[in-house]
Amino acid sequence: DQQVKQNSPSLSVQEGRISILNCDYTNSMFDYFLWYKKYPAEGPTFLISISSIKDKNEDGRFTVFLNKSAKHLSLHIVPSQPGDSAVYFCAASLYGGSQGNLIFGKGTKLSVKP
Amino acid sequence: DAGVTQSPTHLIKTRGQQVTLRCSPISGHKSVSWYQQVLGQGPQFIFQYYEKEERGRGNFPDRFSARQFPNYSSELNVNALLLGDSALYLCASTRDSSYEQYFGPGTRLTVT
Repeated sequence: DQQVKQNSPSLSVQEGRISILNCDYTNSMFDYFLWYKKYPAEGPTFLISISSIKDKNEDGRFTVFLNKSAKHLSLHIVPSQPGDSAVYFCAASLYGGSQGNLIFGKGTKLSVKP
Repeated sequence: DAGVTQSPTHLIKTRGQQVTLRCSPISGHKSVSWYQQVLGQGPQFIFQYYEKEERGRGNFPDRFSARQFPNYSSELNVNALLLGDSALYLCASTRDSSYEQYFGPGTRLTVT
C-alpha cells in the first residue's frame, strides 16, 4: 500500500513558465513533508519542506502548498529553468530527526524546454 | 563542510556473495539512514541509526544488517545476495531534531 503517491510520472514545461508537481498521501499521521530533486547518478538533494501545521512555505523560486483536508501537497517552481530538469520526489515523515524515516513517492520527471 | 560520502561508487557482485557498503555522515550529524532505490521507484527505507543504536527498520529481510560506529559512520551489510538486490543504495544523515535528511551520491550495486 503506497502511502505517498505521485501520480504523474512526467511533466514537460516551457522555460519561464510555472511547473506544478503534485503529491497525495494517505496517512493522516504524517507531520512533515519534503521535496527532493534528483539528477542521474547523484543522490537526492533536499529542496524545500513544510510542517503539517502550515499550509505554505516559500524559498526563492520554490513554493510548497499543503492541503491537509485533501491530503495533498504541491510544489510550484516559478519561473522554471532548464537546470530544473530532474526527477522530483515527494517524501513524508511520521517522526522527526533521530526517530524518523522518510517515505517517498515514485517521483515525477520534470523536463523544462528552452 | 563535506557532504555525505559513500563508498564504493559502483560494485558488481555474484549471487550468493556478501557486500559491505560504507557511509560517512556530514560532520555533526549523529543520525544515519539507509535507503534502497530500484529503477523507477522512490528510495525505500532500510535502517536508521542514531548514537550507534538502531532506531528504525524497514520491511527488508534479515539478510540486511547495519551498524554505526563511534564516529557516526555506518556500514550496511547484505548477505546471500539476490538478483533483486541490484539497486542504488543511498545513505542519508540528519542533525538532531531535524526532519531534513541529506543524501550521499549512493552506491550502485549490480548482482549478476
